[in-house]
Amino acid sequence: DAGVIQSPRHEVTEMGQEVTLRCKPISGHDYLFWYRQTMMRGLELLIYFNNNVPIDDSGMPEDRFSAKMPNASFSTLKIQPSEPRDSAVYFCASSSTLAGAVADTQYFGPGTRLTVL
Amino acid sequence: QKEVEQNSGPLSVPEGAIASLNCTYSDRGSQSFFWYRQYSGKSPELIMFIYSNGDKEDGRFTAQLNKASQYVSLLIRDSQPSDSATYLCAVNRGTGGFKTIFGAGTRLFVKA
Repeated sequence: DAGVIQSPRHEVTEMGQEVTLRCKPISGHDYLFWYRQTMMRGLELLIYFNNNVPIDDSGMPEDRFSAKMPNASFSTLKIQPSEPRDSAVYFCASSSTLAGAVADTQYFGPGTRLTVL
Repeated sequence: QKEVEQNSGPLSVPEGAIASLNCTYSDRGSQSFFWYRQYSGKSPELIMFIYSNGDKEDGRFTAQLNKASQYVSLLIRDSQPSDSATYLCAVNRGTGGFKTIFGAGTRLFVKA
């Protein structure tokens, strides 16, 4: 399996611009998570989906952030407008509840390093 | 109080020694406990999970869980320079829905 795929790997943008991060989970996984990691705040859960439905978005910092999962193989995290304090590494992760899977184990993508100037 | 607390380190140990990483959590309803390793510039990867009180061994790694004390630890025996990384403790709240809370991580440095 290819693992969790994220794009782009690096994004540099200017304050006020819209940023869209993309994620393809591992095939067959029914949970998808979006995290943000910074030195100051560590790894923060932003939102997670189960079977394409958002379950908990309490970690989304503000209305500038939105996430969608239109199908089982694709999710986006959008920031509009972006601000310098959004600079971080954004990880997507997926997990499975299928029989035989290690419950609650999350598999992380390589991350997108976002820099907002 | 943070939900999952770890000493940020860095923890420095000589090659071949035992590295001991500790974690405490606040939610008594937590049911699943994980240790992830994250190399600099890379994504976290699972190295151990534990659900029951006691010890669980996997190669050079031993996870220890004490739910009464709300404490989980990771021991790395015969530490190698390649073990140098940040170790993240993660706890699943067990309320259904797979919401996992990560600690800030402990940086481990193994000196050759």
